[in-house]
Amino acid sequence: DAGVTQSPTHLIKTRGQQVTLRCSPKSGHDTVSWYQQALGQGPQFIFQYYEEEERQRGNFPDRFSGHQFPNYSSELNVNALLLGDSALYLCASSLGALRGTGELFFGEGSRLTVL
Amino acid sequence: DQQVKQNSPSLSVQEGRISILNCDYTNSMFDYFLWYKKYPAEGPTFLISISSIKDKNEDGRFTVFLNKSAKHLSLHIVPSQPGDSAVYFCAASGGSQGNLIFGKGTKLSVKP
Repeated sequence: DAGVTQSPTHLIKTRGQQVTLRCSPKSGHDTVSWYQQALGQGPQFIFQYYEEEERQRGNFPDRFSGHQFPNYSSELNVNALLLGDSALYLCASSLGALRGTGELFFGEGSRLTVL
Repeated sequence: DQQVKQNSPSLSVQEGRISILNCDYTNSMFDYFLWYKKYPAEGPTFLISISSIKDKNEDGRFTVFLNKSAKHLSLHIVPSQPGDSAVYFCAASGGSQGNLIFGKGTKLSVKP
């Protein structure tokens, strides 16, 4: 039973570039949430996708956007990269949206470095 | 404005002893609390949770206590094992927030 898979695992970009991160949820899950974990911090909620729509959004600028496909996989896009976007980006899947009463299953993350 | 606070960045415990990790929250709308464990180069994994209608939940060596009046929860690990060495995150959800709000984490080191 495949867990949450993310790609790429590591990547380096320069300021102003754009990046796309990908996530496949755990088998049977239909909801994908994205979190940003900066060094020394806890994960911060970016947004959640359910039924191919953004259902909730955290306090992140519009440079952060996403998409969910019919097979429930998801992409996170970040435009006009800033040095402060350097972080570990975690994808988490769950069954059912919105309520945080179910445990989230996290992938290993994509480590983004912006130079 | 941190809604979930883990004030101890690190904790060192001897193998076999009890580990107590603490977490405070400020939002009274939170009604569900979770603990996640994270090893290096891995994503966080769910450990244990508690609903606000309870004050204790136990799962094997792990027990979470919730004190709603103090807006405080703690995770007890008894007995601690070297394999428990990891970063532990406290998280909360509730009200209009379906997502999880995480603390900064506490790095637990269990020494043999």
